Amino acid sequence: DGGITQSPKYLFRKEGQNVTLSCEQNLNHDAMYWYRQDPGQGLRLIYYSQIVNDFQKGDIAEGYSVSREKKESFPLTVTSAQKNPTAFYLCASSMDRGLEQYFGPGTRLTVT
Amino acid sequence: GIQVEQSPPDLILQEGANSTLRCNFSDSVNNLQWFHQNPWGQLINLFYIPSGTKQNGRLSATTVATERYSLLYISSSQTTDSGVYFCAVGPNYGGSQGNLIFGKGTKLSVKP
Repeated sequence: DGGITQSPKYLFRKEGQNVTLSCEQNLNHDAMYWYRQDPGQGLRLIYYSQIVNDFQKGDIAEGYSVSREKKESFPLTVTSAQKNPTAFYLCASSMDRGLEQYFGPGTRLTVT
Repeated sequence: GIQVEQSPPDLILQEGANSTLRCNFSDSVNNLQWFHQNPWGQLINLFYIPSGTKQNGRLSATTVATERYSLLYISSSQTTDSGVYFCAVGPNYGGSQGNLIFGKGTKLSVKP
């Protein structure tokens, strides 16, 4: 089955620790995205990547970092510099930037 | 940047009723998607509809790009239609071109 997987589903961390969220897709899509969702809100773009070894900041990139070493994978690191890291994180992909995006099931991160 | 407004913010229906959800956007777009977010947080693609009209079962959508709005119609609603419906648009110029900007969603509750 083709799709997007994110792991883990739930993640708990102590303040001050970096944490990495996984996103993998087997749709052969070139573009991948990371979004953040806070309660009662829409999604906001953190980072996007149009192609392997290239990525760009979205609207709320501060305190986050990404890498794109393989077409299938786009991991997101939430660093200790992110002031309010507790949120629901969703990964998406599309055939090319600007085309229809498909989403993974998300990771709920709680930092205490 | 482009603004996306969804209305109504909340909607309560009796099972079997019809409804119309609206999405207004403030600038020209080359991508518009409607999503349903289920209670587990998964975003389900409903329509990719930058312009025109599409139908899928009990759901249909219309985008009038020149007037900067899109409508999502739900007919004969069922309890499984409950959740949050998001509209997301992709600006067709500027730094956000190719990305999706989300509205805050319409929370739909269908009562049996």
